[in-house]
Amino acid sequence: DGGITQSPKYLFRKEGQNVTLSCEQNLNHDAMYWYRQDPGQGLRLIYYSQIVNDFQKGDIAEGYSVSREKKESFPLTVTSAQKNPTAFYLCASSIGGTPSSQPQHFGDGTRLSIL
Amino acid sequence: AQKVTQAQTEISVVEKEDVTLDCVYETRDTTYYLFWYKQPPSGELVFLIRRNSFDEQNEISGRYSWNFQKSTSSFNFTITASQVVDSAVYFCALSEALLRNNLFFGTGTRLTVIP
Repeated sequence: DGGITQSPKYLFRKEGQNVTLSCEQNLNHDAMYWYRQDPGQGLRLIYYSQIVNDFQKGDIAEGYSVSREKKESFPLTVTSAQKNPTAFYLCASSIGGTPSSQPQHFGDGTRLSIL
Repeated sequence: AQKVTQAQTEISVVEKEDVTLDCVYETRDTTYYLFWYKQPPSGELVFLIRRNSFDEQNEISGRYSWNFQKSTSSFNFTITASQVVDSAVYFCALSEALLRNNLFFGTGTRLTVIP
């Protein structure tokens, strides 16, 4: 079945450590996104990518980095510069072209906590 | 300024009751898209509906219906004869044609359907 796979489901980070969240899709979608969800808040966009080898900052990119070397994969690294990384992270993808009109398909999310 | 407002933080209804989830949006674009997503306890966001700004027809899909009114900038979601499986957090979201790839989410409404 086509879909988006995020791993791991739960992740713990030590102080000063970088961690990488995986996102893989087999929907043949051009665009991919990373969102952060905090309790009682909506999703906020961290980074997005419309095509391979290209990505753009979203509203809260500071302390995060991404890469898009393959169409199927869009890993997110939470760096030590992100001082409050505890949150639920959701990856999404959508058909290219006019992304603003296309629904996004989401993965199951990764819950990141600080040790 | 908040682009999407979901004033109802939590709603509880008894099974088989009807319930309406409110969504008010703010935009200066003439072309925009509105979405509703459902987030069950598993965490994955499930796409429910997309509506563009030029189509004010109400839509019905089974027990779900949506009322889009540009005059009041609202895009409300009604569940008829609610079921326990409807228990989830529901998000309304806005995408503006001029700001591609940025989906603005409301803070969500947690619906609990009591058996």
